[in-house]
This record gives sequence, C-alpha cells and structure tokens, in this order.
Amino acid sequence: DADVTQTPRNRITKTGKRIMLECSQTKGHDRMYWYRQDPGLGLRLIYYSFDVKDINKGEISDGYSVSRQAQAKFSLSLESAIPNQTALYFCATSDPRGTGYGYTFGSGTRLTVV
Amino acid sequence: TQLLKQSPQFLSIQEGENLTVYCNSSSVFSSLQWYRQEPGEGPVLLVTVVTGGEVKKLKRLTFQFGDARKDSSLHITAAQTGDTGLYLCAGALSYNTDKLIFGTGTRLQVFP
Repeated sequence: DADVTQTPRNRITKTGKRIMLECSQTKGHDRMYWYRQDPGLGLRLIYYSFDVKDINKGEISDGYSVSRQAQAKFSLSLESAIPNQTALYFCATSDPRGTGYGYTFGSGTRLTVV
Repeated sequence: TQLLKQSPQFLSIQEGENLTVYCNSSSVFSSLQWYRQEPGEGPVLLVTVVTGGEVKKLKRLTFQFGDARKDSSLHITAAQTGDTGLYLCAGALSYNTDKLIFGTGTRLQVFP
C-alpha cells in the first residue's frame, strides 16, 4: 500500500456541486498538506495542518475547506465547484524532523469541473 | 510571495545528451530540494541540499546549491529515456518552516 493514498484518482463534477477529496497516510506524520498543480504554475498550497486540532490557510484557500478527522486523514472540500478549480490536486505529508527534509506525496486527484 | 523560477520550462533532447536545469530566487533558503514527477504520479524527492556551494551526486544527476543559497542547478549526464518527467525544485525558508515553496517546473522529454 502507498504511504499516502488519495481518492478518487479522477473526478468530473458539475459547476456548483460540492465535492470532497480524501487523503490518508500510513507514515505516522503529524503534518499534512493540500496542493493544487496547474501547468506553468508549479504547486500552490491550499491548506495545511500540523495536527488534528490545527488548520492553516495556504496561499489559495478561497473556495476550499478542509477537515482533519484523525492524524492519518485530511480531506479537502470544494464548497461550490467552479471551472477554474479544474486542476491536479495533491496531498502530502512532511518529515517530522522538519519541512526541509522533504515531502511524501500521494498520486493525486485529477478534478475536472464542467 | 516568494517565487522560485525554473528554466528552461521545457526541454526536449536525445538520449546520451547532457542537460542542466536551473532554479532561481531572490530569497535565501535554508535548504533546497529537487523532485521528479512522472505522469499520473505525485512528485518524488530526489535530493536535499543544505550548505551554500554544496554539490551532491545521485548516479548521473548532479545537484548544486548556490553559494548564497538563492539558486540551484540540476545537471544530468548522458540522459536516458527514463529521465523523462517534470523536475521541480522547492525551497524551505528554515528547517522548522511550515511549508515549502515550489518552483514552476521543467518538463524534460528524452527521446531514444
């Protein structure tokens, strides 16, 4: 099993629908992150969490919300999906020694909003 | 917002050629990482460089951190088709920082 698992892998949804992307990890890390990837823009941080009771906004949090249900689970929701939220979404965990030691990413969710 | 700019954005070469990818910023980083991402997968960490001027080698890949810790380069010797992918640099402002800043990416295609 993968260290970081994202579901679903692909999703097509209609404008205005609420959608949830799920992430679970088996690495036992406290820190988890949600990023979106768009061509030519790299990875941009949406939200991050340092433990179950800690939630922080990233640089592009508008239109998104998150839930940290347990140390191992971190979900991303799009409250009312819009076409410009079409992107590749990644969940990641970071080494407990510090962010400078690297991230472990999931395989991503490709989301299309029509 | 700090930016990490990578160049070139796209690179298409023949197997056996050498190449260099650059990652530049106006910010000073405590460490810089390089990731490779293959289609349908998440980025995978290749290396972390920490000290200004540091050089690390991973088989045919050579990574260098600039003396001022604002830039980095990735050099691939005798590229192979298996090197094809998206290369991302990412900087950490400190070891205990809460998040990484990712570069814009370099998409490498190696043809046989």
